[in-house]
Amino acid sequence: GAVVSQHPSRVICKSGTSVKIECRSLDFQATTMFWYRQFPKQSLMLMATSNEGSKATYEQGVEKDKFLINHASLTLSTLTVTSAHPEDSSFYICSARVFRVKEQGRFSYEQYFGPGTRLTVT
Amino acid sequence: EDQVTQSPEALRLQEGESSSLNCSYTVSGLRGLFWYRQDPGKGPEFLFTLYSAGEEKEKERLKATLTKKESFLHITAPKPEDSATYLCAVQAHGGAQKLVFGQGTRLTINP
Repeated sequence: GAVVSQHPSRVICKSGTSVKIECRSLDFQATTMFWYRQFPKQSLMLMATSNEGSKATYEQGVEKDKFLINHASLTLSTLTVTSAHPEDSSFYICSARVFRVKEQGRFSYEQYFGPGTRLTVT
Repeated sequence: EDQVTQSPEALRLQEGESSSLNCSYTVSGLRGLFWYRQDPGKGPEFLFTLYSAGEEKEKERLKATLTKKESFLHITAPKPEDSATYLCAVQAHGGAQKLVFGQGTRLTINP
C-alpha cells in the first residue's frame, strides 16, 4: 500500500492565529493532492485540489485566502488556516492520488488518505 | 450532477453474520468507484478501486462488486474488528478529478 502522513495530528490554537498542516506521501509521488474537512458523523467535504507546481482549485464556498494551499513538491502539500476562528475547528484530512500503469496497458487510480489533523480553535 | 447514495446508514450484525452494503451512484461516465474504511478519529483507509461493470475485488473478508448503477461491499463472516464506517466514492471522466462521496454506512459487529 501507500502511506500518507499528516502533521500535526492535533493542534489547539487561539482565535486569530494561523496554523499550518503538512501532508506528505511517504513512499510514492503524488501529482495530485486533496484537502478535505469532516464534521462529526458526516462524510468528507472536499475543500481543494492541488497539483504540484500549480495553484490549487478550491471548491465553491471555500475561501482561498483563508485556506492557503501550497503543493511544493510531488510528496508535500501544506494547508495553512489563516486567522483561525472557532468555526474553523474541524477534522482536516489530506489525500494523495497515484496513477499506476500496470502490465498489458492496464492502469489503476488509487487515492490514499492521511490520518487527519484535529484542529481546535479557542 | 454526480451522486452517491449508500444504504443502510447503519448496520448491526452478530459476529459471523454475513451481509452486504450498497452504494448506488449516478455519474457522467465512471472513471472509478472507490471503497474506503474509516475508523473514528482517523483518515479513510483505501480498500478497492473498481473500474468497470462486472469487476470484482477481494480483500480478506471483504468483496466488492460493480454494476452500471451500483456497487456492493459483501462482508463474509465478519469479526468485531470489521466495525467501522465504510465509504463509497465515485470519480467521473472529464475535467474534475474529485471523488464524490456517499454518506457512509456505519457497521457494528457484535461479538
